[in-house]
Amino acid sequence: EAGVTQFPSHSVIEKGQTVTLRCDPISGHDNLYWYRRVMGKEIKFLLHFVKESKQDESGMPNNRFLAERTGGTYSTLKVQPAELEDSGVYFCASSHGQGAANYGYTFGSGTRLTVV
Amino acid sequence: AQKVTQAQTEISVVEKEDVTLDCVYETRDTTYYLFWYKQPPSGELVFLIRRNSFDEQNEISGRYSWNFQKSTSSFNFTITASQVVDSAVYFCALSPRNYGGSQGNLIFGKGTKLSVKP
Repeated sequence: EAGVTQFPSHSVIEKGQTVTLRCDPISGHDNLYWYRRVMGKEIKFLLHFVKESKQDESGMPNNRFLAERTGGTYSTLKVQPAELEDSGVYFCASSHGQGAANYGYTFGSGTRLTVV
Repeated sequence: AQKVTQAQTEISVVEKEDVTLDCVYETRDTTYYLFWYKQPPSGELVFLIRRNSFDEQNEISGRYSWNFQKSTSSFNFTITASQVVDSAVYFCALSPRNYGGSQGNLIFGKGTKLSVKP
């Protein structure tokens, strides 16, 4: 089966611009997660979708970040307007059940976002 | 507090050496899961192992082994006879069962960069 796909793999944008990241989960996986790693720090949870609904968005840093999951399939994460501190690697993961209890996160390769 | 500490930022070894990556965690939950992930240069996070808090048996998978000790809140990872292909960043992660109202979210350590030189 195809894995979790993220694109773009890299994005360089100027401060103040808008960027949209996309994640295609494994087909049939209801659970989709976004994580972020800022340089030198931990990978941190951003939010969790179950199908098209936001189960938990407690990790979203502020209202410049907007995540959607249309029809419970792919998800987008929009940053508008981007700030320098938004730079980092954004990971997406999907699972059939709810993550830890079901063994299975599969992570994508991440999108490296650089805001200049 | 829920936290994962990987005190070793970078480790460099020569091929065929054994190497242990340390992981210490904090959680108030009695039921939780621990994970190790590998991030090779290609960037994706590759699942290595999951261990639940009720299973303290050590595990061996080929050259990889894991030592889970609840008494010291540690979940260390050892690579025996390291190879160049083991070079990667390794992340330890904790998933408290009821963290954040959503089962399964992962709390990661900062990662340990392992370099294995020929």
